[in-house]
Parts: sequence; C-alpha cells; structure tokens
Amino acid sequence: NAGVTQTPKFQVLKTGQSMTLQCAQDMNHNSMYWYRQDPGMGLRLIYYSASEGTTDKGEVPNGYNVSRLNKREFSLRLESAAPSQTSVYFCASSPLGGSSSYEQYFGPGTRLTVT
Amino acid sequence: KQEVTQIPAALSVPEGENLVLNCSFTDSAIYNLQWFRQDPGKGLTSLLLIQSSQREQTSGRLNASLDKSSGRSTLYIAASQPGDSATYLCTPWGNMLTFGGGTRLMVKP
Repeated sequence: NAGVTQTPKFQVLKTGQSMTLQCAQDMNHNSMYWYRQDPGMGLRLIYYSASEGTTDKGEVPNGYNVSRLNKREFSLRLESAAPSQTSVYFCASSPLGGSSSYEQYFGPGTRLTVT
Repeated sequence: KQEVTQIPAALSVPEGENLVLNCSFTDSAIYNLQWFRQDPGKGLTSLLLIQSSQREQTSGRLNASLDKSSGRSTLYIAASQPGDSATYLCTPWGNMLTFGGGTRLMVKP
C-alpha cells in the first residue's frame, strides 16, 4: 500500500514550457486534491475532484488544468509555465463517508522551478 | 473566507518540556479539524483528526482539543523529544481544507 504517489519529484522548466504532474492513490479514495506550497503563504488549494468524473476550482486555479483520469489518478497540467508557478506541489486524497471522512492523505510533493 | 492563525509561529524548547500549540480559525462551520506535521523538504503527515462533534483526540504523547464555537484548537505535546522537531499545521475543513502558516518547532537535546 503506497498511499499517495507523485511524479516527478523534481522538475525544472523554462518559461512557456508545458508539463503534467502525475498523482495516484491506491486507497480507493473518492476525492483528490492539488495544492501548492509557497514560503510564507502556507498551502493553497489549486483544484480538487470530489469524485471520479468531476473537478472544481480551488483558491488559485489560474494557469492550471486538471484531469481525473480514473478513480486512482489525478493529474495537474501547466500549459505555459511562468516563474510565478515555481513552488512545491502536493497531491492529496480523502475518502467520503464514514467516521474517517474528510481526513486527507498527502503525497511527498513535486518541487517545480520555472526559470 | 476561512482564515487560520497559528501561535506561536516558531518555538524552540529543551527536550522534555510539555508544549502547547495554538490554532484559531474564523469560520466555525467546519466538518472537522486535522493536525499535520511537516518535516523540512517533505510532505505532510496526519497526526490527529477531530470531528466537529468531538472535543478532543489523543494519540500517544499528542492530544488535540477543539472548541468549534470559539474557533480554537490546541495541540498538546507531552515530554517533547528532538524527533518532534517539525512544522505543525492546523487545518479546519469547511468548504475546503484551509491551512495556517504553521508553528515551527525545534526541540533541542
């Protein structure tokens, strides 16, 4: 049981390049999330998927797109990277229903630098 | 919009001390509150989850309380150890999970 996995761990992009961050969970969770963490800003929600087939914007969605490929996988795409998107990106998942509903489990993060 | 404040922002103590980390939030309409720890350069590890109907949760040397009506939660760490050194994050869940800035804890041997 690997929990939440993210690839890649590190990435350097040039301004204007595109890339996709991958996230997968093996806990059969319904909901998945993408956050970014910046110094002095805490973690902020970019997009989330409450269940397979649905996605919604979070607090800072501009410049990003997401795809809930299936119940296990939730990807984050940067179409045209900008230096302001330099950050650490975390994926998380949570179950729905039951006494442990809404507890979130986090992946190890992807450190992205845009030059 | 939910706002989360954690006090103190940083704390340095000698090993063995009992600690209290404070968290306040502005919107009491929450489903639950989760405490995480984050080690430098690492992801978040869930420590405790308190449902909105609960007053406290305990796990080992950790005890977290929740007073939803006043928008406060406290994390108590007993007999602190150097391995407890990390950033502790308080996250109430209303419409979404909202993070505070955290408390950076350093426990010196």
